[in-house]
Amino acid sequence: DGGITQSPKYLFRKEGQNVTLSCEQNLNHDAMYWYRQDPGQGLRLIYYSQIVNDFQKGDIAEGYSVSREKKESFPLTVTSAQKNPTAFYLCATTLDTGGYTGELFFGEGSRLTVL
Amino acid sequence: AQSVTQLDSQVPVFEEAPVELRCNYSSSVSVYLFWYVQYPNQGLQLLLKYLSGSTLVKGINGFEAEFNKSQTSFHLRKPSVHISDTAEYFCAVSNRDDKIIFGKGTRLHILP
Repeated sequence: DGGITQSPKYLFRKEGQNVTLSCEQNLNHDAMYWYRQDPGQGLRLIYYSQIVNDFQKGDIAEGYSVSREKKESFPLTVTSAQKNPTAFYLCATTLDTGGYTGELFFGEGSRLTVL
Repeated sequence: AQSVTQLDSQVPVFEEAPVELRCNYSSSVSVYLFWYVQYPNQGLQLLLKYLSGSTLVKGINGFEAEFNKSQTSFHLRKPSVHISDTAEYFCAVSNRDDKIIFGKGTRLHILP
């Protein structure tokens, strides 16, 4: 089945540690996105990538890093510089690189809790 | 710049009753409008979208929405809700110059 796989689903981290969230897709979509979701805040864009080896900052990129070495993969690293990392993280893809008119396809999310 | 406002953070409704979830947007150019649904601890999935053409858009699970340009609204409606409609609903807007922006969401609570 085609889809987006995020792992792990739940992750606990101690303060000061970096963690990497995985996002893999087999939809052959060009564009990939990372969103952060907090209760009552909607979705906020962290980073996005429209093509391999290229990515752009979203609205809240500070404290996060990404890479896009393969079309299928777009991992997100939450660094120790992120002051409030506890959140639900969602990976999404679109077929068209603009992402304006196309449907966003989402993974099931990764819930990160900092202890 | 564009923005989207969901007027209600929570909406309680009795099972089999009709529901309307409100969404207003602002944009200086033509917009594309979306409604997404999120079930607990899951990602979002598209309910329906308006790109152009007919202002009444039908989606999955019996939902529909009407694009009203003069009122800059895109309210979501369902004539009769079921317990399985319990979820959070997100309105979103985009245009040819900007990436998609999401509202803060409306939690739909179905009362027995």
